[in-house]
Amino acid sequence: GQNIDQPTEMTATEGAIVQINCTYQTSGFNGLFWYQQHAGEAPTFLSYNVLDGLEEKGRFSSFLSRSKGYSYLLLKELQMKDSASYLCAVRDNDYKLSFGAGTTVTVRA
Amino acid sequence: TAGITQAPTSQILAAGRSMTLRCTQDMRHNAMYWYRQDLGLGLRLIHYSNTAGTTGKGEVPDGYSVSRANTDDFPLTLASAVPSQTSVYFCASSDSPGQGADTQYFGPGTRLTVL
Repeated sequence: GQNIDQPTEMTATEGAIVQINCTYQTSGFNGLFWYQQHAGEAPTFLSYNVLDGLEEKGRFSSFLSRSKGYSYLLLKELQMKDSASYLCAVRDNDYKLSFGAGTTVTVRA
Repeated sequence: TAGITQAPTSQILAAGRSMTLRCTQDMRHNAMYWYRQDLGLGLRLIHYSNTAGTTGKGEVPDGYSVSRANTDDFPLTLASAVPSQTSVYFCASSDSPGQGADTQYFGPGTRLTVL
């Protein structure tokens, strides 16, 4: 099975940077995903890591260390619209995703 | 492009009744999934199908059944609903499960309340 941990809540100021950590213990690993979910809406894909290192995509970056079972999502130049839940998900060797409980980020003016 | 549609949007159901949640995708994706999302627990996989004609059990399959008669449709059936099945249900699809950055696309969800 999978055990995926991420903080429940984070608060940051508009224009700032926030880092959301995710640690995982898995019986198999075939990639790590980050999804964004606004309140009352469906999750949408943000990023994917399968090799160690940093993947950058505009204001969002995601990092993976497989040996440490660790990933983070970095949100830069925060905007009010970034207020949402961010879900860390690990894909196992059977190609199924297991999700963390999500981190709710609140951006304040 | 519609992507993935789910019906109904919300439903209140009496305990012991049966219900089928509908999910249709128009992207010709091979794989489809059903998740439930509960506060503090995140998304949990109920059942999945990697291709039409096949299905598999996820993390929380008990009390649910699925079928995949064709590529586009993946209905989820609750045979005899119980209050613990109160949740938000999301259907998702992906093109090539397990290959690279195979992204799952989610439907808008069905909010189910079992009383």
